[in-house]
Amino acid sequence: AQSVTQLGSHVSVSEGALVLLRCNYSSSVPPYLFWYVQYPNQGLQLLLKYTSAATLVKGINGFEAEFKKSETSFHLTKPSAHMSDAAEYFCAVSAGGSNYKLTFGKGTLLTVNP
Amino acid sequence: NAGVMQNPRHLVRRRGQEARLRCSPMKGHSHVYWYRQLPEEGLKFMVYLQKENIIDESGMPKERFSAEFPKEGPSILRIQQVVRGDSAAYFCASSPRGQNTYEQYFGPGTRLTVT
Repeated sequence: AQSVTQLGSHVSVSEGALVLLRCNYSSSVPPYLFWYVQYPNQGLQLLLKYTSAATLVKGINGFEAEFKKSETSFHLTKPSAHMSDAAEYFCAVSAGGSNYKLTFGKGTLLTVNP
Repeated sequence: NAGVMQNPRHLVRRRGQEARLRCSPMKGHSHVYWYRQLPEEGLKFMVYLQKENIIDESGMPKERFSAEFPKEGPSILRIQQVVRGDSAAYFCASSPRGQNTYEQYFGPGTRLTVT
């Protein structure tokens, strides 16, 4: 079975500052890893995914994440936060024969201050 | 190209009533998944369906919950005799045919409130 831990349920940054959202996973087989963003009262939108190709993955809206097997991490970063980035972010993992079954972390609420 | 559609967006039911949640996958997608999001929690997998088949229902509560994806029409998640603990957001996702079942696209969700 796999699991995801997102460190920090709430992260607050200033506009223009670096965004760093942490995600650690546990999986006994090579994982697929995902970051989703959820705006209030909306569904989840896929930001980026890692599927065993390049370890540095670039996504939409200037976000990227790096897969580090030795640290079992998949942290999400963006060099410069924008007000429109304020949302909840979910890290998810799937693996093995049930790779359709996404296991989500509890989410990190990102606040961007002017 | 319409995305995943869910209706209703908001549903209020009294305890003991039935709730029916509908999901229309993206065009060309034949795999449907249902997830539940409880307050301040991540999404939890409930069930995976293909047309006329339940592939994996390991996340479904044993009683009162059922899901179907008929040959024609939307996928339906049905909750009988709802209780307050069923209050949550229910999300449907779909994925294309073939190997890329991990590429799931989510609908806007149905927020169920049980009074």
